[in-house]
Amino acid sequence: DTGVSQDPRHKITKRGQNVTFRCDPISEHNRLYWYRQTLGQGPEFLTYFQNEAQLEKSRLLSDRFSAERPKGSFSTLEIQRTEQGDSAMYLCASSLAFSQETQYFGPGTRLLVL
Amino acid sequence: RKEVEQDPGPFNVPEGATVAFNCTYSNSASQSFFWYRQDCRKEPKLLMSVYSSGNEDGRFTAQLNRASQYISLLIRDSKLSDSATYLCVVNGSPDYNQGGKLIFGQGTELSVKP
Repeated sequence: DTGVSQDPRHKITKRGQNVTFRCDPISEHNRLYWYRQTLGQGPEFLTYFQNEAQLEKSRLLSDRFSAERPKGSFSTLEIQRTEQGDSAMYLCASSLAFSQETQYFGPGTRLLVL
Repeated sequence: RKEVEQDPGPFNVPEGATVAFNCTYSNSASQSFFWYRQDCRKEPKLLMSVYSSGNEDGRFTAQLNRASQYISLLIRDSKLSDSATYLCVVNGSPDYNQGGKLIFGQGTELSVKP
């Protein structure tokens, strides 16, 4: 499968625990995005990378959230001290820079914080 | 005011019907516009880009009115398989070479019945 992949697909955790999600973009794509989607809403932008550089972060991304893309390939999104309000689908997307920004989404990681 | 607004529906239509979705956006500097389709518990997938001159792809027609900041999607001869949520999407960066975060509407749910 040459599309965007995400791991894990589902995560259940207890409030206060840390979680980490991984995203593997389409191999030649140099832009990688993280979005969050809650039930009944469209995805909301969290952050994006061009190669290894994190170029923009949403105000939604509190200090408990951190994202990395150390070698410009896969990316991780970590949430520290999870809260029930963090329960959502976390979507990763990738695209080529200098294109019409067609972003291809991965299947998402569904997080439930108990 | 949300940056991208859509009627959440649901729209319940019989097979063969024509259905229209509307969307408004607030940032007049936006340059790129899209419709994405999202099936239940799946990731969003690009349905079509929207151009100022209007564009058609089979049964789907998208139109953009920059003066009114209004985007539409028309589906003709609807099929059962068209049942999904349709997301109106605007590129959140005035110059897509500077970044490509997508701003999503809430989504409009469509249910096509036999």
